[in-house]
Amino acid sequence: KQEVTQIPAALSVPEGENLVLNCSFTDSAIYNLQWFRQDPGKGLTSLLLIQSSQREQTSGRLNASLDKSSGRSTLYIAASQPGDSATYLCAASGGTSYGKLTFGQGTILTVHP
Amino acid sequence: DTEVTQTPKHLVMGMTNKKSLKCEQHMGHRAMYWYKQKAKKPPELMFVYSYEKLSINESVPSRFSPECPNSSLLNLHLHALQPEDSALYLCASSLREFTGELFFGEGSRLTVL
Repeated sequence: KQEVTQIPAALSVPEGENLVLNCSFTDSAIYNLQWFRQDPGKGLTSLLLIQSSQREQTSGRLNASLDKSSGRSTLYIAASQPGDSATYLCAASGGTSYGKLTFGQGTILTVHP
Repeated sequence: DTEVTQTPKHLVMGMTNKKSLKCEQHMGHRAMYWYKQKAKKPPELMFVYSYEKLSINESVPSRFSPECPNSSLLNLHLHALQPEDSALYLCASSLREFTGELFFGEGSRLTVL
């Protein structure tokens, strides 16, 4: 059974810092890995999708990498802003869970001015 | 248009009421999903529809009844719910079942009295 772990559970940084959120998964036979952002009481916003054949994806200040052999993905946020404050969730699809997404518990990010 | 629209945004119901949640997407996606999310937890899969047919039911109690009238619409009928069913209900869609990027709606916040 696929298990996804996110570290740290919470992170507080000053505005302008570059930061890294970590996601690890137990079954390397994934189809893809997706990063989401969730604001309090809202739905999930898709940030980046990395297919199993890809090593990384970039969108603006965000860069996500995937290393299937080590069972890890990282989300890099450059020049963080207070508007980046949210919960970030990673989800892995595939492995023994077939195509179902297995979510991590999330990292709560706070960027203070 | 990468939007999944859910109505209502908020719903309060008694345990004997019958209500419905609605979800709509116009991205041509043929897979639609219902997720349930409790506070500070990741979303949990409830149902998957693929080409308007129920593909997966994650052992959800029968007081939740999904319906997919056409490829753009997904409903969740609610009857005789319990207070512990209070949660954020999220609809999502993807191009095909468990294929590609998953797009979520803003959710319907359900409170059962």
